[in-house]
Amino acid sequence: KQEVTQIPAALSVPEGENLVLNCSFTDSAIYNLQWFRQDPGKGLTSLLLIQSSQREQTSGRLNASLDKSSGRSTLYIAASQPGDSATYLCAVRGRVETSGSRLTFGEGTQLTVNP
Amino acid sequence: GAGVSQSPSNKVTEKGKDVELRCDPISGHTALYWYRQSLGQGLEFLIYFQGNSAPDKSGLPSDRFSAERTGGSVSTLTIQRTQQEDSAVYLCASSLRMLAGGTGELFFGEGSRLTVL
Repeated sequence: KQEVTQIPAALSVPEGENLVLNCSFTDSAIYNLQWFRQDPGKGLTSLLLIQSSQREQTSGRLNASLDKSSGRSTLYIAASQPGDSATYLCAVRGRVETSGSRLTFGEGTQLTVNP
Repeated sequence: GAGVSQSPSNKVTEKGKDVELRCDPISGHTALYWYRQSLGQGLEFLIYFQGNSAPDKSGLPSDRFSAERTGGSVSTLTIQRTQQEDSAVYLCASSLRMLAGGTGELFFGEGSRLTVL
């Protein structure tokens, strides 16, 4: 059974800092990995999706990497802003033939960027 | 529509009542998922629909929970005889079918917050 862990559970940084959020998963036979952002009381917003054959994806100030063999992904946020404050969730989609098509989510990292 | 639409956004009900939650996926998305997010907890998979295939119901917590998807589009999640532990945010998501060339990127709605008194 796939398990996804995110460290740290919470992070507070001053504005302008570069930061890294970590995600680890136990079963490396994945189809893809997706990073989401969730604001309080809202749904999830997709940030980046990395296919199993890819090593990284970039969107603006965000960069996500994937090391499938070690079961790790990182989300790098450059020059953080107060508007980046949210909970960041990592989700892994297993291979269809072994786990259907569901995503397994981590518990999230709650990020606070202080002005 | 432009995004995944869910209704109602908030529902307060009394213990023992039945509730229905609705999800309208992104047009053209054949895959539809229901997840549950309880306070302070991660997202819990409930059910997955893909086109006309039999749904994956393996995440439904009890037989009080059921879901259907009519015409391959709108889905309804029904909870019968609600209990206080059913209180949570119910999130719906949709995606293009991966084997049809889609990336499998999941798009979520804003959720339906259910409170059972």
